[in-house]
Amino acid sequence: KQEVTQIPAALSVPEGENLVLNCSFTDSAIYNLQWFRQDPGKGLTSLLLIQSSQREQTSGRLNASLDKSSGRSTLYIAASQPGDSATYLCAVNEDSNYQLIWGAGTKLIIKP
Amino acid sequence: NAGVTQTPKFQVLKTGQSMTLQCAQDMNHEYMSWYRQDPGMGLRLIHYSVGAGITDQGEVPNGYNVSRSTTEDFPLRLLSAAPSQTSVYFCASSHRNVHTLSSYEQYFGPGTRLTVT
Repeated sequence: KQEVTQIPAALSVPEGENLVLNCSFTDSAIYNLQWFRQDPGKGLTSLLLIQSSQREQTSGRLNASLDKSSGRSTLYIAASQPGDSATYLCAVNEDSNYQLIWGAGTKLIIKP
Repeated sequence: NAGVTQTPKFQVLKTGQSMTLQCAQDMNHEYMSWYRQDPGMGLRLIHYSVGAGITDQGEVPNGYNVSRSTTEDFPLRLLSAAPSQTSVYFCASSHRNVHTLSSYEQYFGPGTRLTVT
């Protein structure tokens, strides 16, 4: 059974630092992996989606990588800002029925 | 586009009451799903639908019913509310590439915060 793990559960860094969030999954047979952002009391916003054939995706200051063989993905945030404070979740789609398997998230706090 | 909309935003129920959480999307997505989110846990899939007239169970379906009479709407019914169903409920929609079968990104509604006393 696929399991998705995000470590650490919480992270606090000073503004301006570059940082990496980690996501690991137990079964490498995935279709894609998606990173989401969730603000307190709000819904989820999709940040990046990496198809299984891709190694990375970039959007602005965000870069997500995927290493299927090792069951790992990272979300790199450059030049962090207080507005980046949120919970970041990763989820894998492991077959063609659209279902996502979720990590529990990393709560990120960027200190001004 | 309004995207994915959910109503109500907040709801308090007494044990044993029933209610329907509404979800609608205007993106013509074939796939819709309901998740619940509990503190310290990842989202868990309740029910999903791959098209009008087709629904299936997810990881935690007990106590919930769904129907999909149109592409746009996917309501979630709580049959007899229990305190264990206190949670935040999210509806999501997506479509996929029919050639590669890879799903495109999922779009989420703002959530419904449900408390059962």
